[in-house]
Amino acid sequence: SQQGEEDPQALSIQEGENATMNCSYKTSINNLQWYRQNSGRGLVHLILIRSNEREKHSGRLRVTLDTSKKSSSLLITASRAADTASYFCATDADFQKLVFGTGTRLLVSP
Amino acid sequence: ETGVTQTPRHLVMGMTNKKSLKCEQHLGHNAMYWYKQSAKKPLELMFVYNFKEQTENNSVPSRFSPECPNSSHLFLHLHTLQPEDSALYLCASSPGLGYEQYFGPGTRLTVT
Repeated sequence: SQQGEEDPQALSIQEGENATMNCSYKTSINNLQWYRQNSGRGLVHLILIRSNEREKHSGRLRVTLDTSKKSSSLLITASRAADTASYFCATDADFQKLVFGTGTRLLVSP
Repeated sequence: ETGVTQTPRHLVMGMTNKKSLKCEQHLGHNAMYWYKQSAKKPLELMFVYNFKEQTENNSVPSRFSPECPNSSHLFLHLHTLQPEDSALYLCASSPGLGYEQYFGPGTRLTVT
């Protein structure tokens, strides 16, 4: 069954606003990763957070992980039109494979 | 998208055809993956190769046949596909299992 589930399914904001996406999962994990996909293209890795980490930053991105609640969030600050894409969380439970969620579609309007 | 290339980018094939998808990574990675992405479905893992050995076959029908001749190349051989196999097929690589993955641009496959 599906491991990661993103919320919301779609998010529409204005440039300059912050965007927050959430991911919930069901079993214990080794790490959780966030990816971005522009329409019909390949995925781009954003951040990997390990199960013993609680927060990571990369530029305008901030990821948190709460293993007790089996959830993660991705915050994009000061969003830009170029951030328009689908965002996926993926969990690694066995150091073998990633299981992806259905994604959040983010639309950033100028 | 640089680092992992996929050919062809688009493919239309009939149900009786045989075709192959090719993936090449220039990153010196040891693990390679095939994924299927269909509309309104999560990305589905198909196969995993680590150091040229298949470590995962996610219950994929035998009409999909992977081949990994070396750590830099991965093929997906297709034969007698069904219309429901139409999807975006993505290849990825990673330094090893459990690391971040780098994706190619995908092959958009249409089965008629």
